Amino acid sequence: DTGVSQNPRHKITKRGQNVTFRCDPISEHNRLYWYRQTLGQGPEFLTYFQNEAQLEKSRLLSDRFSAERPKGSFSTLEIQRTEQGDSAMYLCASSLGQDSTDTQYFGPGTRLTVL
Amino acid sequence: AQRVTQPEKLLSVFKGAPVELKCNYSYSGSPELFWYVQYSRQRLQLLLRHISRESIKGFTADLNKGETSFHLKKPFAQEEDSAMYYCALTGHSGGYQKVTFGTGTKLQVIP
Repeated sequence: DTGVSQNPRHKITKRGQNVTFRCDPISEHNRLYWYRQTLGQGPEFLTYFQNEAQLEKSRLLSDRFSAERPKGSFSTLEIQRTEQGDSAMYLCASSLGQDSTDTQYFGPGTRLTVL
Repeated sequence: AQRVTQPEKLLSVFKGAPVELKCNYSYSGSPELFWYVQYSRQRLQLLLRHISRESIKGFTADLNKGETSFHLKKPFAQEEDSAMYYCALTGHSGGYQKVTFGTGTKLQVIP
């Protein structure tokens, strides 16, 4: 197991297009998180899953954003009708899910550029 | 609402000098606090958490509930400590958790 992986690593798209990112967590981890990070800022929490259940969504997650984790393993984050303001690094993290002090292991991120 | 403030964007110190990276938080409940580090071209990783009361790579952080602070300290900075440091808080709302990160402090250790 090489840790949390994310694909693609980079995505360039035109405004108005839809994009989908994938995150593969560490295999025995029950919890999976999505964050967005823009230049000069820390990661901003978007949503998290406990197994396949999406438990919390930030107000940052507009109706153009949707995340799924259908079988409690990998997760996808889709952005519809992308806007230039969506340009950011999208980070995924996973943890065992035993309690909220679990260590979160981060992936390398997907850098999205919306032209 | 929960908030994490890291007042310094950049902290430059000489090798061997003490380091203190500041973190203040705002949270109405009992917080769980963490320090994460990101070295150049590496992914974000946990450095330490307050509940463990541990020292990692010579770094320690004490939770001061009176001052709502969780400053990261190291007595003698090393060049390999140069990195981006983020303070983070996990809070709970309605039974669910929410994680808030600070904006980060870039630590530059001058040889």
